[in-house]
Order: sequence, then C-alpha cells, then structure tokens
Amino acid sequence: AQSVSQHNHHVILSEAASLELGCNYSYGGTVNLFWYVQYPGQHLQLLLKYFSGDPLVKGIKGFEAEFIKSKFSFNLRKPSVQWSDTAEYFCAVNGHSGYALNFGKGTSLLVTP
Amino acid sequence: GAGVSQTPSNKVTEKGKYVELRCDPISGHTALYWYRQSLGQGPEFLIYFQGTGAADDSGLPNDRFFAVRPEGSVSTLKIQRTERGDSAVYLCASSLKAGGQETQYFGPGTRLLVL
Repeated sequence: AQSVSQHNHHVILSEAASLELGCNYSYGGTVNLFWYVQYPGQHLQLLLKYFSGDPLVKGIKGFEAEFIKSKFSFNLRKPSVQWSDTAEYFCAVNGHSGYALNFGKGTSLLVTP
Repeated sequence: GAGVSQTPSNKVTEKGKYVELRCDPISGHTALYWYRQSLGQGPEFLIYFQGTGAADDSGLPNDRFFAVRPEGSVSTLKIQRTERGDSAVYLCASSLKAGGQETQYFGPGTRLLVL
C-alpha cells in the first residue's frame, strides 16, 4: 500500500539551529513530492515541490529538500531556523499521473527564542 | 488574489443530523479536492472533481458522504446521519488543472464537531 512516513512528530529547536525533517514514502513508480507548512491559525501552504530534474529543490523562506530515490526519501532542511518557522510540516506524495495527495502525519516544529 | 474559501469555518451538530460544507475554489481552477484531517493526522483524500464531475470518489468513507460541483466552481460536501467519528477538519483544495504535478492550494478548512 502507498504510504508516507514522517519520523519526527515533535521537534523543538533553538533559533539558529539547523533543521532536518525526515520523510520516507512507499510508492510504486514515479512520484511527485511536496512539503506543505501550516503556521498557527493559517491554512496549508506549499513550501516546495519536486517533480523531476535536480534532486535538490529550493523553496520559500530558505527551505530546501533533497530527493534520494534509492532511499525513497525527501527530507526537508533549513540551515538556520527562526522563531517564525514554528509550524506544522507535512510531507505529501502522489503518483506521476495521479492527483490525490497522500500526506504524512506531520511534524510539529517549535522554535524557541 | 482571493484564495480558496470555505464556509462555515466551524460547525457544531448533533449525532444523526445532516450537514453541508461549502468550498469556493480559486477562480479559474478546474480541479477541486476534498480532504479530511483528524486530530494528529495528515489530511486524507476524500474526493476529486475535474469540472462538474467527480473523477474519483474512492476516498469517501461510506455512502453517508456525498459531494457535488454542479457548475464546475463551488462544491458542497454533504454528510448525512452524522456520527461522532465524523468530527474532523474538512479541507478543500483547488488546482489550475488536473494532474499530479499541479500545485494544490488549500482553504482554511471547516472544523466539524459532532456531539
């Protein structure tokens, strides 16, 4: 069955610390990969996405993610987090010709001043 | 520009009642999706529309759930004989066209509480 796993459910970091959130997927065939973010009181917003090409993709607000096909992973990174990065982060996947997004359970990130 | 809007933002109902949740997609977006998000979980796909027709309703949990999009724009998710387990945030998303590489833009959701 298709699935998306996010290993860290709750992460607490101090400002300026580096961030890496794990995402692994179980999918047959070619995939499209997404990271969405939900800031407190706001709706889900797209951070970045990967369809093909360079496996290192850059998104908004200094975030980046690396697609490693051999590991079925799409980890999210940021070299130096800010307090304003406090949010819930969701990894999502769909098949290359699909449309319905399959989400992980999310990671709640708290950045302390 | 205007994003996806959903009404009501909150809905409290009693077990057994009927509810309707409305979604207004971004103007010009032909594809519309409904998801459901339970506490501590990621969104789960319910149904997808391309234009007026439901292209895939495989995520609807049972026949108490139904959705329409009669004119290819606004969509309504309808839940009959609500149960406590239906309590969740119902999210709507739209994309310019159908396809796996299209970005889906989400609305703020409707928080449904069934007492």
